[in-house]
Amino acid sequence: GNSVTQMEGPVTLSEEAFLTINCTYTATGYPSLFWYVQYPGEGLQLLLKATKADDKGSNKGFEATYRKETTSFHLEKGSVQVSDSAVYFCALKEGNTGANSKLTFGKGITLSVRP
Amino acid sequence: ETGVTQSPTHLIKTRGQQVTLRCSSQSGHNTVSWYQQALGQGPQFIFQYYREEENGRGNFPPRFSGLQFPNYSSELNVNALELDDSALYLCASSVGGNTQYFGPGTRLTVL
Repeated sequence: GNSVTQMEGPVTLSEEAFLTINCTYTATGYPSLFWYVQYPGEGLQLLLKATKADDKGSNKGFEATYRKETTSFHLEKGSVQVSDSAVYFCALKEGNTGANSKLTFGKGITLSVRP
Repeated sequence: ETGVTQSPTHLIKTRGQQVTLRCSSQSGHNTVSWYQQALGQGPQFIFQYYREEENGRGNFPPRFSGLQFPNYSSELNVNALELDDSALYLCASSVGGNTQYFGPGTRLTVL
């Protein structure tokens, strides 16, 4: 079945540091890929997405490129802020109908940014 | 545009009881998906509703059931609650099976 693997956490960075969060996936087809962010005590917010190979999703300074050859969708940001402290989830969606449209999530990684 | 809303925010039940959680989808969205997020884990897919019918189900027992109403809002019902049902329950709405937008969740504690 489909699966998403995220690097082990937590991650602690100083403000303005460079961020990379690794995500790899296993899927039988050609999934869409997503990054969601969860702030303390809240639900999930869509951060960015990519629907086909070589697509780059970007939002709020975060970027991720859909790499089919390495089955990866690593999240990057050039300069993190304290307000980026949250839990980040990588997810995939295989299709757009029925159970195929369910999201499969990784375990999430906690990012803490120090002032 | 109104986002996805869920009620209640928090809920405490005892083992064996039944619970109903509610979700209002984002304006223009006709599909609702429900997820269970245990502490420290990623969300797990429970089921999806489209046009008032269940349209896909994850690996959850039949005591997890749901409804979708003509206005696309939805309910999640859990019977015979178990301690392991303690979790954050998230609903997400979408247009068909496209990009899903999540509500703030309902935190259920089973004692």
